[in-house]
Amino acid sequence: GAVVSQHPSWVICKSGTSVKIECRSLDFQATTMFWYRQFPKQSLMLMATSNEGSKATYEQGVEKDKFLINHASLTLSTLTVTSAHPEDSSFYICSARIAGRSYEQYFGPGTRLTVT
Amino acid sequence: EDQVTQSPEALRLQEGESSSLNCSYTVSGLRGLFWYRQDPGKGPEFLFTLYSAGEEKEKERLKATLTKKESFLHITAPKPEDSATYLCAVQETGANNLFFGTGTRLTVIP
Repeated sequence: GAVVSQHPSWVICKSGTSVKIECRSLDFQATTMFWYRQFPKQSLMLMATSNEGSKATYEQGVEKDKFLINHASLTLSTLTVTSAHPEDSSFYICSARIAGRSYEQYFGPGTRLTVT
Repeated sequence: EDQVTQSPEALRLQEGESSSLNCSYTVSGLRGLFWYRQDPGKGPEFLFTLYSAGEEKEKERLKATLTKKESFLHITAPKPEDSATYLCAVQETGANNLFFGTGTRLTVIP
């Protein structure tokens, strides 16, 4: 149980284009989902917290107009990287917390984004 | 300000050589401390949650313990498949998110 999927698992895009990453909780409902990015050999850095049906809360230094987050249902959150640049290349990971239960976060497999 | 510090940064063990990983934390109030395992190019895999000092949890060759200032992840008789980065994260009381340490990269040599 508590499976989280992400799509795509990897994507290569050209500078200036936008990329959408999906995060789905497959066997549970998630009122809260989180988006992280991870650079090589570094730990996870929280980008934003999204709650179903409301606006995402972004961490300091994360551009909300560049990283658009939508949490339209209890099983789906999306991250759109707008006007991507090479410095946005990273490993993006989402996590979800089971609605009404304890505090564990279950992570997706991650999406490798490369901007050329 | 570092809230979570993991040591060592990297650890190489011979198969069967038991050891411990350390996670020190400083928070005003601890809601929970979490251990995850992360393989290269994958998302973290949940291992344990510890909520209060003195609590212990076990899963196969892994055992996690918690004090008021730190947590240990004990690995007993490790196997090569235990090689991974082990991440520790804390959640403060009243907070919604996790603060992650930088991880310990474990390599178990056959």
